[in-house]
Amino acid sequence: AQRVTQPEKLLSVFKGAPVELKCNYSYSGSPELFWYVQYSRQRLQLLLRHISRESIKGFTADLNKGETSFHLKKPFAQEEDSAMYYCALSESNFGNEKLTFGTGTRLTIIP
Amino acid sequence: DARVTQTPRHKVTEMGQEVTMRCQPILGHNTVFWYRQTMMQGLELLAYFRNRAPLDDSGMPKDRFSAEMPDATLATLKIQPSEPRDSAVYFCASREANEQFFGPGTRLTVL
Repeated sequence: AQRVTQPEKLLSVFKGAPVELKCNYSYSGSPELFWYVQYSRQRLQLLLRHISRESIKGFTADLNKGETSFHLKKPFAQEEDSAMYYCALSESNFGNEKLTFGTGTRLTIIP
Repeated sequence: DARVTQTPRHKVTEMGQEVTMRCQPILGHNTVFWYRQTMMQGLELLAYFRNRAPLDDSGMPKDRFSAEMPDATLATLKIQPSEPRDSAVYFCASREANEQFFGPGTRLTVL
């Protein structure tokens, strides 16, 4: 069965420092990976997906199939990055509909 | 600006009472999901529908939970009878082009 692991429940980083939120997955097929973000008092929203290979708000994530990881990175943290971040996996054999989420990492940027 | 809506936003009830949560997906989205968010488990998929038909409800306790889509503009999640362990935030999401759009959630407290 598919599984998404985010080992850090809480992560605090100083403003201007690099950020890395870890995500590992287990899935026998060819997955699609996503990062969703929930800012304070806002709804959960898509941040980025691996197939797009884009940088959103300075964040990037590279799918590493050898290490089964999809870590989220940003070189210089900003205060507005404080939020809850969820890594999610979409199963290719479900037509990319069903998402399995990790337990989330709460990122706090220290001014 | 089309958004998923959910009612009520907050619900406090006593153990044993029936709880009904409602969701209006974005018009035209034919796939609807119900999730439960807790501190310990993160986001768990309870059930989802495509074209109003239930596709997967394996994440839902069948003895007390039920999910339906009476029409394309309304999805409901019922808990009967409710228990304190059901206290959580329940999210609805609808999907388009491999992105899920989340509602604001219903925060349920069962005393």
